[in-house]
Amino acid sequence: QSALTQPRSVSGSRGQSVSISCTGTSSDVGGYNYISWYQQHPGKAPKLMIYNVNRRPSGVPDRFSASKSGNTASLTISGLQAEDEADYYCCSYAGSYTLLFGGGTRLTVV
Amino acid sequence: EVQLLESGGGLVQPGGSLRLSCAASGFPFSNYAMTWVRQAPGKGLEWVSAISGSGGNTYYADSVKGRFTISRDNSKNTLYLQMNSLRAEDTAVYYCAKILWELGYYDGSGFFDYWGQGTLVTVSS
Repeated sequence: QSALTQPRSVSGSRGQSVSISCTGTSSDVGGYNYISWYQQHPGKAPKLMIYNVNRRPSGVPDRFSASKSGNTASLTISGLQAEDEADYYCCSYAGSYTLLFGGGTRLTVV
Repeated sequence: EVQLLESGGGLVQPGGSLRLSCAASGFPFSNYAMTWVRQAPGKGLEWVSAISGSGGNTYYADSVKGRFTISRDNSKNTLYLQMNSLRAEDTAVYYCAKILWELGYYDGSGFFDYWGQGTLVTVSS
């Protein structure tokens, strides 16, 4: 099983919106709604930002939203803030109780 | 407050063994499935293993199956990862994490709401 495909990097200006894609196959992203997104700042543990495709855990700002279409999931961050600069990882159930992560996307806020 | 504290990492030679521990507090440990996720230096996240709340069901990534064993001691609120036949490619920071939902079983969802700070395992001669 290969990692899910994410762009290596994206950037946006403060206040703008950016989207990060996560492409898999019908055996993972396209086959299940067990899609999650994690934010990771350098040297820190990952933080759950989105689960079940588009649900936000308590405490995550509503600037973070997500969706899925076919074999591709997407995370959108609107009203970019400096603290949003981090690495973002998608994660999908891949059957047989296994999980696949994306390769990660570095978000730069300029 | 939920806390997860990993320990046991270090330098080990190829072919060697190491046991990681994850001490949990702040939640009813036995009611939650737990997982290990690793991150090689400068690389992305990789799911390693998961275990049900009772410890009766375990799950592994193909890359570690047959070499790693996940277990838990609910009387000590501690999660373990026994790593044998270690390889250079096992070098990583290992995180333990708690499943979001209080199900008792592992649902395969990948929804991990609390993570430890990680412990570094280096496999090198």
